Amino acid sequence: KAGVTQTPRYLIKTRGQQVTLSCSPISGHRSVSWYQQTPGQGLQFLFEYFSETQRNKGNFPGRFSGRQFSNSRSEMNVSTLELGDSALYLCASSLGQGAGDTQYFGPGTRLTVL
Amino acid sequence: LAKTTQPISMDSYEGQEVNITCSHNNIATNDYITWYQQFPSQGPRFIIQGYKTKVTNEVASLFIPADRKSSTLSLPRVSLSDTAVYYCLVGAPIYNQGGKLIFGQGTELSVKP
Repeated sequence: KAGVTQTPRYLIKTRGQQVTLSCSPISGHRSVSWYQQTPGQGLQFLFEYFSETQRNKGNFPGRFSGRQFSNSRSEMNVSTLELGDSALYLCASSLGQGAGDTQYFGPGTRLTVL
Repeated sequence: LAKTTQPISMDSYEGQEVNITCSHNNIATNDYITWYQQFPSQGPRFIIQGYKTKVTNEVASLFIPADRKSSTLSLPRVSLSDTAVYYCLVGAPIYNQGGKLIFGQGTELSVKP
C-alpha cells in the first residue's frame, strides 16, 4: 500500500503571499489531520477532516484553512503568509474509526517564508 | 489525554539493545500507547502501539506492566540509522481525539559507532 504523499516537498514564498499544500492519504483512510512543526513549538495540531467535514481544529488563526475532497485527498491553505509560518507542514491519515486506529504521517512540506 | 514523561536524550552504541521508558501515571482505561520515530525534516514514522502486556513487531517491542502507568520501547541491536527522536503518546483511539495527537518533547536517541 502506498503511504501518505504530500506535495510539494519544498516551497519558498514571501510575506503576504498565500500557499496551498496538498496531501493524499493512504488508500481507504478517511481521516486527514494536519500539523505544523517548528523547532520552538514542536508538533502542533492544525485541524482534522473526516468525510469532507472538519471535525476538529487546533489553536491557529483563521489564515490557516483546509478542505477535504470526496476521494479523501486534502489541501491546506495559508493566506497572508508571515515569517513565523516557516515550518514543516505534516499531514497524517487514519481510518478515522475503530479501536487502536492510529495516524500515519507523510514526509511533509517544508515551507520557507522570506 | 494522559501526560507523558520520557528522557530528553539517550546515547547508545551500535549493536546494543536500547530501552526507552515512558511514564504515564494518569493513563485512562481506553487509552492506547503509541510510539513514533522521527528523523530530521521527515514526518514521524509509526513504530508500535499497544494496550497491555507485550507487543512485538519486526522493528521493536513494547512492554507494558499490569498497572499501565509506564511503558518501555525496546529497540534490539540498534544501528547508526536508528539515531532519531522517539515520541511516546498516550490517548484514546485517534478518532475519539478528533484526529489530534499531542506530541511531547520526545527522546533524542544518539547511536554511536
